Amino acid sequence: QVHLVQSGAEVKKPGASVKVSCKASGYTFTSYTLNWVRQAPGQRLEWMGWITGGTGNTRYSQKLQGRGTITRDTSASTAYMELSSLRSEDTAIYYCARDTAAGGSFDYWGQGTLVTVSS
Amino acid sequence: SSELTQDPAVSVALGQTVRITCQGDSLRNYYASWYQQKPGQAPVLVVYGKNNRPSGIPDRFSGSNSGNTASLTITGAQAEDEADYYCNSRDSSGDRGHVFGTGTKVTVL
Repeated sequence: QVHLVQSGAEVKKPGASVKVSCKASGYTFTSYTLNWVRQAPGQRLEWMGWITGGTGNTRYSQKLQGRGTITRDTSASTAYMELSSLRSEDTAIYYCARDTAAGGSFDYWGQGTLVTVSS
Repeated sequence: SSELTQDPAVSVALGQTVRITCQGDSLRNYYASWYQQKPGQAPVLVVYGKNNRPSGIPDRFSGSNSGNTASLTITGAQAEDEADYYCNSRDSSGDRGHVFGTGTKVTVL
């Protein structure tokens, strides 16, 4: 079955960068798009961006433009989300989530990675 | 980018029916999807497309769409349905992204 397994929790200082990984298994990695979604403590879900598994095309939310980079390694069936110039408001749980075959919905989610930004 | 608005909280008596709504301009062009999130857990897709449920989701969950409003209905709510519910759709602003709703806390009494 489909599994998305993310890397462990991170604690970073303001201004630093963080890179979170999402390893996929149980399906053909290059056939689906992977999204990144974050949730600050007590807040709503926020879509950050996506990457296509096959071509590596990316799209980012306007809020993330310039600070976020999503990449993938097809040989490892793994996607990455790197966020730079971290601020306290970037403290959140970061999830990867797979698009359905038809697109527009997220049918499988990783377990989440807590990123804490604190001086 | 688009915005999707939900009522912050609703309550329902055990075994009764509750409807959660989601409003936004993007829903005129795209179907909403609905996610259930329990404390400390990742979201789970419960309804997507016109009115589809992933495997394993009980048939008491159903969805509908009309104009700029999407609805999730839980018919015969169970104690385990108490959770936060989020809608989402593609963003109709043209940037090919996605947008999530503000979320609704459902309490089962």
